Amino acid sequence: GAGVSQTPSNKVTEKGKYVELRCDPISGHTALYWYRQSLGQGPEFLIYFQGTGAADDSGLPNDRFFAVRPEGSVSTLKIQRTERGDSAVYLCASRSSGSPDTQYFGPGTRLTVL
Amino acid sequence: DAKTTQPPSMDCAEGRAANLPCNHSTISGNEYVYWYRQIHSQGPQYIIHGLKNNETNEMASLIITEDRKSSTLILPHATLRDTAVYYCIVRVATDSWGKLQFGAGTQVVVTP
Repeated sequence: GAGVSQTPSNKVTEKGKYVELRCDPISGHTALYWYRQSLGQGPEFLIYFQGTGAADDSGLPNDRFFAVRPEGSVSTLKIQRTERGDSAVYLCASRSSGSPDTQYFGPGTRLTVL
Repeated sequence: DAKTTQPPSMDCAEGRAANLPCNHSTISGNEYVYWYRQIHSQGPQYIIHGLKNNETNEMASLIITEDRKSSTLILPHATLRDTAVYYCIVRVATDSWGKLQFGAGTQVVVTP
C-alpha cells in the first residue's frame, strides 16, 4: 500500500518568507508526527497529533512554527518569517493505533532558506 | 542528556554479520530499546525493539544484556542495501504513542 508522502520534496525560499510543508499519512493512521533533521544529526521531534489535536507540541522551536491537522488526516507544517537556520529536512511519520510501536516515515521535505 | 551511546561509524563486509553496539547504562525498568535505520535520502525505518528478552524478526536480532545496560543489533548477513545510519533509542513503554528521541546513530557502511 501507499506509504507516507510529503510535498514538496524540495523547497527553496528566501529569508523572511512563509512556507507550508504537507504530509499525507498512511490511510487510517490516527497519529502523525513531525520531525526536523539537520545535516549529520538524527531527527529532532517537533510535534505529535493524535487525530485532529496536537498531543505534544513541545518540540516546536518558537512561535514561527505551527502545524495543523484539521480533518485528522493530512497535516501542514507552517513556518513564518523563515530564517537560514530553519534549513533542514522536515520528516513526517504516522502510526496506527493497532501498531503503537512503529512509526512509518515519509521521505522528507528538504527546506533551504537563502 | 543522551540516553544511548553508539559508535559514530563502522564498516562491515558484505555477507558477514554486522554487530552494532549500544550503551544505555541509565535505562529504567520500564524502558524499551528500539532500533531504527535511515538509508541515505530516506526517512527512518523501524527495525526491532525489546525490553529484556532477545528478539528476532526478518530484519535483525536484538541481544540485550542481562543488566540491560547495553544491547547489540545483529544483521546476520549484511548486504550493500544495509548501508545506513542505525539509531538505538530508549523509550518508556507507556510512551509508545509519543515521540522518538534520536541521537546521532552509527553510520554503517557495507563493502563488497
